[in-house]
Amino acid sequence: GAVVSQHPSRVICKSGTSVKIECRSLDFQATTMFWYRQFPKQSLMLMATSNEGSKATYEQGVEKDKFLINHASLTLSTLTVTSAHPEDSSFYICSAGYDLYTEAFFGQGTRLTVV
Amino acid sequence: AQTVTQSQPEMSVQEAETVTLSCTYDTSESDYYLFWYKQPPSRQMILVIRQEAYKQQNATENRFSVNFQKAAKSFSLKISDSQLGDAAMYFCAYRSLTDEKLTFGTGTRLTIIP
Repeated sequence: GAVVSQHPSRVICKSGTSVKIECRSLDFQATTMFWYRQFPKQSLMLMATSNEGSKATYEQGVEKDKFLINHASLTLSTLTVTSAHPEDSSFYICSAGYDLYTEAFFGQGTRLTVV
Repeated sequence: AQTVTQSQPEMSVQEAETVTLSCTYDTSESDYYLFWYKQPPSRQMILVIRQEAYKQQNATENRFSVNFQKAAKSFSLKISDSQLGDAAMYFCAYRSLTDEKLTFGTGTRLTIIP
């Protein structure tokens, strides 16, 4: 299957700072990538759809100004958590697929801790 | 909007036995995809099996098989000859034919008893 790489796997940042998470499709081009958030012992909640060359589409209730998404190339999407607060601490996962006919491939996830 | 429901927060099974995880969903679409994903302690999401709604035949992948009941909107996962490595969270997921985003159920934590 295809490989989606997410970096970093873990990050600790101070409250008020920003942190960037990268999601790369290593062996295929992805015009669309997805960002999910997962709280402990809970399911994955879709945050936003990242579209190459255009603005991201955010799910209802997700703050666009806090979670900045940039999809600058067909192999890279970034999620920046701005002015992070302890309540932003969570597990963030990205996914991408070839097209509408194949399954999604997931990155390894990033555990963000805001102190 | 589509919803996916997993009514079993936790399940356990003896090693080498068979276990079935339940999933129901709600949609107004006639064609779609359904998936089972496994999330082990590493938290890497791993595809277990997928089913296209237009296919009547139930999907099978080695020890994993599904019972897809389209009219009942039910999509259960059967794991045969359970192994210790099967211990994980299992998520049922729905995907439209026209959109790549996934809608996940709440998950079932599967424990394998040696």
